[in-house]
Amino acid sequence: QVQLVESGGGVVQPGGSLRLSCAASGFTFSSYGMHWVRQAPGKGLEWVAFIRYDGSNKYYADSVKGRFTISRDNSKNTLYLQMNSLRAEDTAVYYCAKDLVRGVGAFDIWGQGTMVTVSS
Amino acid sequence: AIQLTQSPSSLSASVGDRVTITCRASQGISSALAWYQQKPGKAPKLLIYDASSLESGVPSRFSGSGSGTDFTLTISSLQPEDFATYYCQQFNSYPPFTFGPGTKVDIK
Repeated sequence: QVQLVESGGGVVQPGGSLRLSCAASGFTFSSYGMHWVRQAPGKGLEWVAFIRYDGSNKYYADSVKGRFTISRDNSKNTLYLQMNSLRAEDTAVYYCAKDLVRGVGAFDIWGQGTMVTVSS
Repeated sequence: AIQLTQSPSSLSASVGDRVTITCRASQGISSALAWYQQKPGKAPKLLIYDASSLESGVPSRFSGSGSGTDFTLTISSLQPEDFATYYCQQFNSYPPFTFGPGTKVDIK
């Protein structure tokens, strides 16, 4: 079935780095844009980054621009989020999500989330 | 950047009630709006896309309406499994792909 599975979360010190992965299955991964969305404990949803189906366009939230990098490997059906210079305010559950349509649209499939904790 | 506001921020309702949640955009977004349901500890679930299209598998008691700046999510007859937090999101003008602050629906 259509599925997204995140991995790579954990505890990291401020200023540290972490790489999240999102393994896709059950659909043609290379045909859809993908997003990262995060949710701090007890807070709402915050969009983090987007990558076009072919990797040609990438967008970032201002809060992570210059520190986070989204990428994808369509041969491995995997989405990535490289997170550098991590701050306490980056502590959150990170979800990957798939665009409903080939272009930009609603997010129809979400992973289960992976927790990132930035703490000394 | 486009801002989204939701009202109310929370509401208490009973099973069988009709529930309406409003989402307002700071500028026109045509029909590029989605609604999600999130239960504690779970990922969000898409309910409505393009303002009024029901996602496959979502019960017909959920409906969406609106265009431009004002949107509504309606639950025609609230069921026990509908107690959750609901978020609107716009994808007309990006980045960012803005989410609303959420509306928590709990049991009266």
